[in-house]
Amino acid sequence: SSELTQDPAVSVALGQTVRITCQGDSLRSYYASWYQQKPGQAPVLVIYGKNNRPSGIPDRFSGSSSGNTASLTITGAQAEDEADYYCNSRDSSGNHPFGGGTKLTVL
Amino acid sequence: EVQLVQSGAEVKKPGESLKISCKGSGYSFTSYWIGWVRQMPGKGLEWMGIIYPGDSDTRYSPSFQGQVTISADKSISTAYLQWSSLKASDTAMYYCARLWFGELSGWFDPWGQGTLVTVSS
Repeated sequence: SSELTQDPAVSVALGQTVRITCQGDSLRSYYASWYQQKPGQAPVLVIYGKNNRPSGIPDRFSGSSSGNTASLTITGAQAEDEADYYCNSRDSSGNHPFGGGTKLTVL
Repeated sequence: EVQLVQSGAEVKKPGESLKISCKGSGYSFTSYWIGWVRQMPGKGLEWMGIIYPGDSDTRYSPSFQGQVTISADKSISTAYLQWSSLKASDTAMYYCARLWFGELSGWFDPWGQGTLVTVSS
């Protein structure tokens, strides 16, 4: 199956650590990539590959993977991290589906 | 600077045809796949398909196969997404993005600014 499943919403207190997860069979074979989308803006890549950050992405963002679950961790969440987060992964059929997205609220 | 610039917003009637574009600059356009992503109002991202401008090899999501056509003109570094007969349910923001491949991974970066397509009678 090429489906990726995310929790619809997660909240975190300012300065605390939050983990956003993504589950799917393809994640047993391929790494996920993660995207941040703020209202009215295009998505932005924040994590790719095993645990790589594009230039300009703060080091409080990190990625990990275990079994069929990929995780995006924000260590010391800031107010500006409030956004929707999407995972994406290739699969063995050549598809590149997205997860349903997680809305992160920073309290 | 690597950039993808998309064509402007469109307002169309049901049954009309439409072709939107995505122009790449700052890199070798023929050497990287380009993907298209739909975002319906208030909803999540949906992968539609990808094209390799070097030889126009195209792959579609099963959900969009037969519903849209993805093409590219490498002479002007532009990828396209087109509909032959629009429906109200095609109303959405459409993004293009460059697709990279790495070891056991693929990722989209950068993204275009998006093209809003509104289909209404």
